[in-house]
This record gives sequence, structure tokens and C-alpha cells, in this order.
Amino acid sequence: AQKVTQAQTEISVVEKEDVTLDCVYETRDTTYYLFWYKQPPSGELVFLIRRNSFDEQNEISGRYSWNFQKSTSSFNFTITASQVVDSAVYFCALSERENMNSGGYQKVTFGTGTKLQVIP
Amino acid sequence: DAGVTQSPTHLIKTRGQQVTLRCSPKSGHDTVSWYQQALGQGPQFIFQYYEEEERQRGNFPDRFSGHQFPNYSSELNVNALLLGDSALYLCASSFYFGDRGFETQYFGPGTRLLVL
Repeated sequence: AQKVTQAQTEISVVEKEDVTLDCVYETRDTTYYLFWYKQPPSGELVFLIRRNSFDEQNEISGRYSWNFQKSTSSFNFTITASQVVDSAVYFCALSERENMNSGGYQKVTFGTGTKLQVIP
Repeated sequence: DAGVTQSPTHLIKTRGQQVTLRCSPKSGHDTVSWYQQALGQGPQFIFQYYEEEERQRGNFPDRFSGHQFPNYSSELNVNALLLGDSALYLCASSFYFGDRGFETQYFGPGTRLLVL
């Protein structure tokens, strides 16, 4: 069974501080995908990044960066110079490739989320 | 390029009633998944539809059922509503590449269901 753990329930930072959101996952598959989604108060989940299990390169997109380490089963997310607009709940998620020969299915397992509050 | 749309946005029902939620996938997508998100929790997978068939189901009772139409849109039906069914119901769509797997799921704004 797959599992995603986000141990940080809530984090508060002052604007312009850097913040790292932790994500630890469990899976028996060798092929899987990891995701980060942002959920603002409006409720809609906004896709941020997808990472293939074969690709351990870190990625940077503007103020966002992701650190994927298979050795520790972690996929951490860092926001540099945080802004008030970054305030939201952030979810880490995992998807395994299963039963692809029969048409397949895509089941995404989410963590419980980390609520980030950026204080002006 | 239209994103995932859901209707209605909000819904209030009483225990024992039945409800139908609707979802239109993102343009070009052929797979629809439904999730339930209780307050303060992460989304929980209900089921996924591809080629008008339920492909995989999460740990939800048979009171939860669905349908996918030829135009790839989908409905989620919940019968005999319980107070615990109050949640945000999210629809996600993606595209199935075959051997290459699935594209990333993109989510709609959700339907907030309150059961009294």
C-alpha cells in the first residue's frame, strides 16, 4: 500500500523568509510519480510539479524548488522569499503505475497537507 | 482551453436523500477521477472512470456510484446520505497515454456538500 506523510500540520513564517515543506512517502513499486498541489482557501487544487521516480534531479521554478531523494523516500518543497500569496494548504501526493496492461488506472494518494501561513 | 468544471458549487441535503454531482473534464482528457475531501484532511480517492468503465475504486461503500458518458463527462451519485458524507467533492481529469501511463491529474473547483 502506498502512503504519504506530511508531518508538519501548520507552519507560520514572516514574509520573505524561506520555508521548507516536508514529504515522506512509502511505496512498493519501483515506478511511481510524486506531486505537489496547492490548495488556496477557494478549494481548488492547483498542480505545482510532477516527478518521475527515475528522475532524481532537483528542480527549481522561480521561488519554488523541490528536493527528491529516493534514498530517504522524501520529496521536500522549498519556497524562497515567501509571499503572502503563498498562504495555502500544500499537499504532497503519490501515484503508482498499476495494471497498465488492462487499461490501467491512476490512483493518487495524498498526504494530510501542510497549512502555510505567511505573515506580512 | 477550458479547465475541469464541476456543478453545482454548493449543495445542502438531508440525511437519507440522494445527490448527483457533475464533472466535465479538461479539454483533451479522457479519464475522470473523483475524490472526497473532509475538512482538514487530504483528498481521498473514490474511483476512476476510463472508457465509460469504473477502473479502480477506493475504500468507499456501494452507496457511492458513478458514470462516465461518451463525451468523457462524469457523474458521482451518493445514495442514502449520511452526516459523514459532508465534504468537498473534487473531480480530476487526465489523459491516458497507454503504455506511457497517465498525464498529471488536474482538479476542478469542487462541490461542497453539506448533509443535515
